[in-house]
Amino acid sequence: NAGVMQNPRHLVRRRGQEARLRCSPMKGHSHVYWYRQLPEEGLKFMVYLQKENIIDESGMPKERFSAEFPKEGPSILRIQQVVRGDSAAYFCASSQGWDQPQHFGDGTRLSIL
Amino acid sequence: DAKTTQPPSMDCAEGRAANLPCNHSTISGNEYVYWYRQIHSQGPQYIIHGLKNNETNEMASLIITEDRKSSTLILPHATLRDTAVYYCIVRVAGETSGSRLTFGEGTQLTVNP
Repeated sequence: NAGVMQNPRHLVRRRGQEARLRCSPMKGHSHVYWYRQLPEEGLKFMVYLQKENIIDESGMPKERFSAEFPKEGPSILRIQQVVRGDSAAYFCASSQGWDQPQHFGDGTRLSIL
Repeated sequence: DAKTTQPPSMDCAEGRAANLPCNHSTISGNEYVYWYRQIHSQGPQYIIHGLKNNETNEMASLIITEDRKSSTLILPHATLRDTAVYYCIVRVAGETSGSRLTFGEGTQLTVNP
């Protein structure tokens, strides 16, 4: 069974560019979560989505960050006009339901030049 | 969510049981105890969770005290591949508030040959 798939595994962007991170949940999972891990820090929740709906975005920065989980296709975390401080590992998780264990992908390492 | 306290590091000999403690003295009646681990540069891996009763699966056992103020994760026969940071997380049961996992500092478990 395929786990949570994230791509790309590594992404390099210059300041001011846009970064798009993709997450395909496990088969049968309709709940997706995004977390960020800054260098030498713990994982921090960003956003929780179900198909076509944002349920909880309390951890998302107010500007430049957005997330979607369309009816078809992967979930996308989009960062506009990236800055050096956006350099981090971004992890996606999925679950069958809000009360079920979350299973994580191996992350996208974003580096900003 | 209730705060958890874990020792920053522990060592264990290969083949022996690893017992990882966690204090969650402010846990509420509707909060679950979850355990994840993160092997360097990989995504967090779900291990086990429980509410009141002790739980066991193919990876580990979870022992929760009767007052629910602390728990212990037991890896019965630790191997070198179990070297990782282990996170004890208290998660409230609620569709929105229960969606996020709050990761602390965790315990760095090192299994020695």
